[in-house]
This record gives sequence, C-alpha cells and structure tokens, in this order.
Amino acid sequence: GAVVSQHPSRVICKSGTSVKIECRSLDFQATTMFWYRQFPKQSLMLMATSNEGSKATYEQGVEKDKFLINHASLTLSTLTVTSAHPEDSSFYICSAPDGRLAKSNQPQHFGDGTRLSIL
Amino acid sequence: GQQLNQSPQSMFIQEGEDVSMNCTSSSIFNTWLWYKQDPGEGPVLLIALYKAGELTSNGRLTAQFGITRKDSFLNISASIPSDVGIYFCAGQLTKGNTPLVFGKGTRLSVIA
Repeated sequence: GAVVSQHPSRVICKSGTSVKIECRSLDFQATTMFWYRQFPKQSLMLMATSNEGSKATYEQGVEKDKFLINHASLTLSTLTVTSAHPEDSSFYICSAPDGRLAKSNQPQHFGDGTRLSIL
Repeated sequence: GQQLNQSPQSMFIQEGEDVSMNCTSSSIFNTWLWYKQDPGEGPVLLIALYKAGELTSNGRLTAQFGITRKDSFLNISASIPSDVGIYFCAGQLTKGNTPLVFGKGTRLSVIA
C-alpha cells in the first residue's frame, strides 16, 4: 500500500487563489521531504527540500515567497502556492525517504501527486 | 539542473518480448533507483540499488548498478500489457536524505 499520502489529488481554481498541498509519510517519520514539479510529458524537476523544524532549501529559479513550504511535524510537509497564476498549473509531487530503513539505504517514496489547474 | 541520460525515449514492443533501458551520467552516483509512473499518478519504486555492481531482481524486472557508478540498466522480461507506462531512472549523488536526479523517462507501449 501507499507509504506517502498526498492531498488533494486535483485542484481547479481561479487566478489569484492560494492553494495548499499536503504530503504525509505513513508508518514512518520523515525529517526531510522533497517537492517536485512535472510538466506534461517531461521528467520530475526538484523544487525544494523540506526540512522538519527549519527552513526549506529552494532550487535555483524557484521563488520561496511564491512556494511556501512548512514542515511542522515529522510526518507532514505542506506546499502552498500563493496567488497562483495559470503558469503555475502543473503536477506537483512530494517524496519522502523511507524512515523505516537504515539511513544509507532509504529509497524515496512518492505521493500520488496533485494536479493544479489555474484558470 | 543536472539530469541523467536515459534511453530509449520510447519503445513499442509485442507482448512477451523482453525490454531493456538504461541511464548514463558523466557524474558518479551513489544510489540508483528505477520508478514506473502511470498517467496522473506519482512514480512507484521498482528497484533500488546501493552498491556498484549490484544486480537486483523484482519479479520480471532486473536492474544493475554499473561498476563505474555512472550508469544503470533495467530489464523487463516477458512483457505484459500492464507494463505500459513511463519508466524513470533516478540517482543520488550522495547517500542519505538528498534529492533525486531524474532521467527523462522511457515510454513503454506493449502491443497485445
């Protein structure tokens, strides 16, 4: 079964709306989670690393004030797309290293993704 | 950012045929992983590789971590219709809680 839960699976909203996406690790704790973005027919591109209890680290070109990340507990990270515009429409996916395994051998499991459509 | 070179980009095969795809990099990676993604869903882990030379199987799937640590391949034997999807290789430059670098994916189509 799923080990990483992502919610909601789909959002359609008007331009200017802020949208919050949740990523939860099930059955294990995750001090680090990752947020990726995927455009149609393309690969996954890392947006940011979410760190429990500290600030997220963002990849070059990703606006931290636009994509707010909060990792307030060991099982939950949230990504808020603030004042979303049509160009923010994409498939957002989170991942978490499997905390049930030894640190050096923790494969990342992905959520089912959130398809964001901004009208 | 950095990306892995994955090939082929797409494949059309007959049911029952074997499939092979690979990823290469100019950098050394310490972990290689293979994922399958179905439309509208997140990637699902197929195989994780942690040591150079490691050969690991998962049912009809077999993957190897290249001895130079700069490449990996995935083989699927006796393909079936539900193998259809996009396969991604991914690597970690360092072990631990570090992000993944992805290949561009191989789109597999299986003709019954």
